[in-house]
Amino acid sequence: DIQMTQSPSSLSASVGDRVTITCRASQSISTYLNWYQQKPGKAPKVLIYVASSLQSGVPSRFSGSGSGTDFTLTISSLQPEDFATYYCQQSYNIPWTFGQGTKVEIE
Amino acid sequence: QLLLQESGPGLVKPSETLSLTCTVSGGSISSSSFYWAWIRQPPGKGLEYIGSLYSGGNTYYTPSLKSRVSTSVDTSKNQFSLNLTSVTAADTAVYFCARARQSYSSSWFETWGQGTLVTVSS
Repeated sequence: DIQMTQSPSSLSASVGDRVTITCRASQSISTYLNWYQQKPGKAPKVLIYVASSLQSGVPSRFSGSGSGTDFTLTISSLQPEDFATYYCQQSYNIPWTFGQGTKVEIE
Repeated sequence: QLLLQESGPGLVKPSETLSLTCTVSGGSISSSSFYWAWIRQPPGKGLEYIGSLYSGGNTYYTPSLKSRVSTSVDTSKNQFSLNLTSVTAADTAVYFCARARQSYSSSWFETWGQGTLVTVSS
């Protein structure tokens, strides 16, 4: 299985901050990397697919980059509704695997 | 608007079989370019892919669960199902069904059900 490692596991930030979350794959996965946001008690919601494509309806303050083994999710200006847990997921090989999550909390 | 809804028992006894159904509305389960998937999340933990099935019949399962998992599609009811045998407390989780879009040779979980908590306990 391809292991996905996110960093940090959690972070505290303020409204308006620029936030960056990193995801590293245990082997090259090209750009087969997706990002999800999950709020407590809710299903995850896709934000970014194929590393950098913004899902329809997702605010443009979210962006993704990277290829190979290293990927980044950036929130350019954190909004109150962005406090949540974020997961990366690879779709290069089955079983598709997720990172352990990054919890974004209010500072 | 595509909606997915999980249903099934919320409590299953150890060693028994967990059975869940996902009902799809607002779209056909026979649509091409999509996988239908099951994902679970133990309480307070991260997401685990269980398996997926293609409308053409292909199925894929995560190796750690492969010996205990089966899935099926009922196109007449627009539903797909999950069976997980010989459950233990470690199988306690929120179970999500999802539709994965396939494009650019990649796939992503585009639409999710709300999830259903299944507790394994005697």
